[in-house]
Amino acid sequence: EIVMTQSPATLSVSLGERATLSCRASQDVISNLAWYQQKPGQAPRLLFYGASTRASGIPARFSGSGSGREFTLTISSLQSEDAAVYYCQQYSNWPPWTFGQGTKVEIK
Amino acid sequence: EVQLVQSGAEVKKPGESLRISCKGSGYTFSRYWINWVRQMPGKGLEWVGRIDPSDSHANYSPSFQGHVTISSDTSTSTAYLQWTNVEASDTAMYYCARQSPAFDLWGRGTLVSVSS
Repeated sequence: EIVMTQSPATLSVSLGERATLSCRASQDVISNLAWYQQKPGQAPRLLFYGASTRASGIPARFSGSGSGREFTLTISSLQSEDAAVYYCQQYSNWPPWTFGQGTKVEIK
Repeated sequence: EVQLVQSGAEVKKPGESLRISCKGSGYTFSRYWINWVRQMPGKGLEWVGRIDPSDSHANYSPSFQGHVTISSDTSTSTAYLQWTNVEASDTAMYYCARQSPAFDLWGRGTLVSVSS
């Protein structure tokens, strides 16, 4: 099983500042990596697949990068509506598909 | 509208059986795998398993293998997650999600509560 490790667990960022979230895989997942955003009381929403391909409707301030074992999600200018928990997921080796434990982004 | 509509919340006692559903609409249901994801209270996302509706072949996470069964019915565009004997530890929100290639479409979730 591929273990996904996200850091930090919680990230406090001021409005308009940059937020950088990390995700590390225990094995090479090539670019088969997705990012999801989950707000309280809501289902997760796909942000990126293929590590860097933005899903439909996702604002340009979000960007995804990386390949192999190291991946990054960047929010270039944090908005209030970006407060959420963000998960990475590998869909390279299965079963099982695996998620990271999540990074909570809060407004400082 | 392309969507996955899940069945309503369930309250069960330990040892009871349960089946929850996920109905796809607005797209060709048989063309995409349907996954089930568990989220225990205050916790992260866990992959339960998936089904290919075109041939009803299912795969499971080792953590859930033997405890749940995933099935589908293409005539009604519906996927199911079922238990023969629920336990208190099954209390969670369960989401279904379409895979293309990541989980691009999610249901709103079904809350399952198990308590004596």
